[in-house]
Amino acid sequence: KAGVTQTPRYLIKTRGQQVTLSCSPISGHRSVSWYQQTPGQGLQFLFEYFSETQRNKGNFPGRFSGRQFSNSRSEMNVSTLELGDSALYLCASSLESRVIQFFGPGTRLTVL
Amino acid sequence: QQPVQSPQAVILREGEDAVINCSSSKALYSVHWYRQKHGEAPVFLMILLKGGEQKGHEKISASFNEKKQQSSLYLTASQLSYSGTYFCGTINNAGNMLTFGGGTRLMVKP
Repeated sequence: KAGVTQTPRYLIKTRGQQVTLSCSPISGHRSVSWYQQTPGQGLQFLFEYFSETQRNKGNFPGRFSGRQFSNSRSEMNVSTLELGDSALYLCASSLESRVIQFFGPGTRLTVL
Repeated sequence: QQPVQSPQAVILREGEDAVINCSSSKALYSVHWYRQKHGEAPVFLMILLKGGEQKGHEKISASFNEKKQQSSLYLTASQLSYSGTYFCGTINNAGNMLTFGGGTRLMVKP
């Protein structure tokens, strides 16, 4: 089976812009979770989607949003980018909740 | 609330052993261990469910003490390929969100 894929791999934006990141889960996986990884904060949970519904949400401002499509592909959007949003954004897919999650390669976002 | 990992960093010589600990203040349903190499995605190592079981994968094994809400990852006879950052992730009994600890950076030297 193909692994989790994320596009784009690298992105450079300026403050105030918005960005959309995409994640395609492993075939058959219905749960997609998003994480932000920074050197100082480690892996921080953003949100989880299951069958097109957001099931869990971490402690991030409303500028961070996401959605999931009927084919389980997921997108996350960050509006009004800030310098502090520079990070590696990882998505992980799993069959269900509470089971093994498989991570994609991540999208490296740099905000200038 | 995220689990606490210790130590934050460890340096080993090839062949030496290491233990990484992960503790939580909440009653846990499961503990997940991942290893991440620089510039790569975290790779799943093992999952431990409540019940105090110990699991192993070659020379890497882990235990889960449900009563203490603690898990430990054991790396024996370390190899250069073990270098990376190890993360524990926990799911508590009340939820289904995977929350990660701050990571333990492991460096194995020849």
